[in-house]
Amino acid sequence: GQQLNQSPQSMFIQEGEDVSMNCTSSSIFNTWLWYKQDPGEGPVLLIALYKAGELTSNGRLTAQFGITRKDSFLNISASIPSDVGIYFCAGMNYGGSQGNLIFGKGTKLSVKP
Amino acid sequence: NAGVTQTPKFRVLKTGQSMTLLCAQDMNHEYMYWYRQDPGMGLRLIHYSVGEGTTAKGEVPDGYNVSRLKKQNFLLGLESAAPSQTSVYFCASSFRGENGYTFGSGTRLTVV
Repeated sequence: GQQLNQSPQSMFIQEGEDVSMNCTSSSIFNTWLWYKQDPGEGPVLLIALYKAGELTSNGRLTAQFGITRKDSFLNISASIPSDVGIYFCAGMNYGGSQGNLIFGKGTKLSVKP
Repeated sequence: NAGVTQTPKFRVLKTGQSMTLLCAQDMNHEYMYWYRQDPGMGLRLIHYSVGEGTTAKGEVPDGYNVSRLKKQNFLLGLESAAPSQTSVYFCASSFRGENGYTFGSGTRLTVV
């Protein structure tokens, strides 16, 4: 089945630094999503991307849908302590009978205060 | 607007016991899903439903059953719990699979 490789698995950064993470797939998707999960909570949607090459921002977060449709990137600018959590990428090919999301294994972000 | 509500939030079961996890959504979403989350494994789909009265298997369906008798509810059952089913279970819903999913806050299940 389809698999997503998300990297890095974890990272420690200094407050104020920029963060980059990415997700690659063995096959193409027509939708890429980025979620954040806080401890003890369910994932919350941050950004949705629907078109190859699309660049979308949500505050300090910017995500891009790769041109090949096999990858996506998430950048966080000027990180703050509340950015701590696990970030998941997810790919989807909706329009069929499923529309199921395939999730990456997550990037755990820890910020040094 | 509650979104997706999961009950219970925590549960400890003995091996061989049965239980049902309840998921309720008030957004009139067609699609509902059950995932399990294990350390280093991300989120894996157990079962899903694309409408009232329909269910389908996901990536890891063995040992679980589901029912969608009402559009707003999606139940996940464990008939005979095993320690390998110790996990955090998340329910999610979406409007026909588009625009991402809305997740509940999870049920932490421990099987001893």
